[in-house]
Amino acid sequence: RKEVEQDPGPFNVPEGATVAFNCTYSNSASQSFFWYRQDCRKEPKLLMSVYSSGNEDGRFTAQLNRASQYISLLIRDSKLSDSATYLCVVNTGGGADGLTFGKGTHLIIQP
Amino acid sequence: GAVVSQHPSWVICKSGTSVKIECRSLDFQATTMFWYRQFPKQSLMLMATSNEGSKATYEQGVEKDKFLINHASLTLSTLTVTSAHPEDSSFYICSAEDRFRALHFGNGTRLTVT
Repeated sequence: RKEVEQDPGPFNVPEGATVAFNCTYSNSASQSFFWYRQDCRKEPKLLMSVYSSGNEDGRFTAQLNRASQYISLLIRDSKLSDSATYLCVVNTGGGADGLTFGKGTHLIIQP
Repeated sequence: GAVVSQHPSWVICKSGTSVKIECRSLDFQATTMFWYRQFPKQSLMLMATSNEGSKATYEQGVEKDKFLINHASLTLSTLTVTSAHPEDSSFYICSAEDRFRALHFGNGTRLTVT
């Protein structure tokens, strides 16, 4: 089983819709979790960290389910500018060298 | 916010030449920097961890003599692709860890070896 798994998509979603995708991780000792956004041919940018209690930032909500070992990202009222690849990143160690990246989920928001 | 500058952003070179990529943390000190490569439609793959003042730690399968890393100061790490070949063509990205252990990425370097 891969350490971090994501559905690659693409997810084609109409503008204004709500979309959610998950990321599963295999190492139960994983300590921290992040969602990054990567536009085509650009570097990843941190979208949000994922806390045990869940967290929300505007239209974006991230949740962690330790029992089932997955994190989720929900985007409400999707905008055309939300089209990107969303990378799930899991930190299994104490430092950044324990980071494992998922392959990303490609999201396309359609007008 | 913390800024990481990476350059060049795009380079084309002939097979057999060496290419140096710089990664600078502009407004914070980074004891640790990381180098990744990313092939089209692939995830980021960690190549090596660069530690200021010491040797880099390379991931399995990454040739340390081909990908030379130097982290001479707390704000600069360089990656040199020596004797580049077409199969080295890729997108190379650096990241720097700040004192809160957050990662900040450079804007990447697209290397094309002809």
